[in-house]
Amino acid sequence: DADVTQTPRNRITKTGKRIMLECSQTKGHDRMYWYRQDPGLGLRLIYYSFDVKDINKGEISDGYSVSRQAQAKFSLSLESAIPNQTALYFCATSDPGGPNWTGELFFGEGSRLTVL
Amino acid sequence: AQTVTQSQPEMSVQEAETVTLSCTYDTSENNYYLFWYKQPPSRQMILVIRQEAYKQQNATENRFSVNFQKAAKSFSLKISDSQLGDTAMYFCAFMKRSGGSNYKLTFGKGTLLTVNP
Repeated sequence: DADVTQTPRNRITKTGKRIMLECSQTKGHDRMYWYRQDPGLGLRLIYYSFDVKDINKGEISDGYSVSRQAQAKFSLSLESAIPNQTALYFCATSDPGGPNWTGELFFGEGSRLTVL
Repeated sequence: AQTVTQSQPEMSVQEAETVTLSCTYDTSENNYYLFWYKQPPSRQMILVIRQEAYKQQNATENRFSVNFQKAAKSFSLKISDSQLGDTAMYFCAFMKRSGGSNYKLTFGKGTLLTVNP
């Protein structure tokens, strides 16, 4: 099983619908992130969380919300989906800072969302 | 804010040859990490190589090596003996290594590398 699991892997929905993308991890990492990937734009940070009580906006948080239900779970919601939110969404985790911290992010397999 | 620039949207190379992907970044920080991630058609994000800014020695991982020029803020990736499995999108990324809430990656827009048989 993958260390970082995203559900659903693929989703087609209609404009105005509420969508939740879920992420769970078994790596025991405190830090979790949601990124969005668009062709030609790379990955852009939507939200990030450094522990259960910590939620921070990234560079493109408008139209999105998140919930950190537990250390292992971090969900991304689109309250009213619109077509320009069609993208590939990635959840990622990283290990806490410390002397052996590598800075590496560990990614899920992505959730492809299409909003019609 | 940090920015990461990959000036080559697409590149191609013949199998067994060497190719270099370019990356430049802009930061006022002195302590940071740089990364190259690979995204094959499976869309999984895979770490290829990382470099700590305070280390002058260029990182290497088997066929992958970097040319890190801190003063020039340049971080290129060299792939030697290219293989068909190297075909992927490659992303350069930057992370500040200072304390607090700065541990987030900033990505470039990516370079699509195609290895031809």
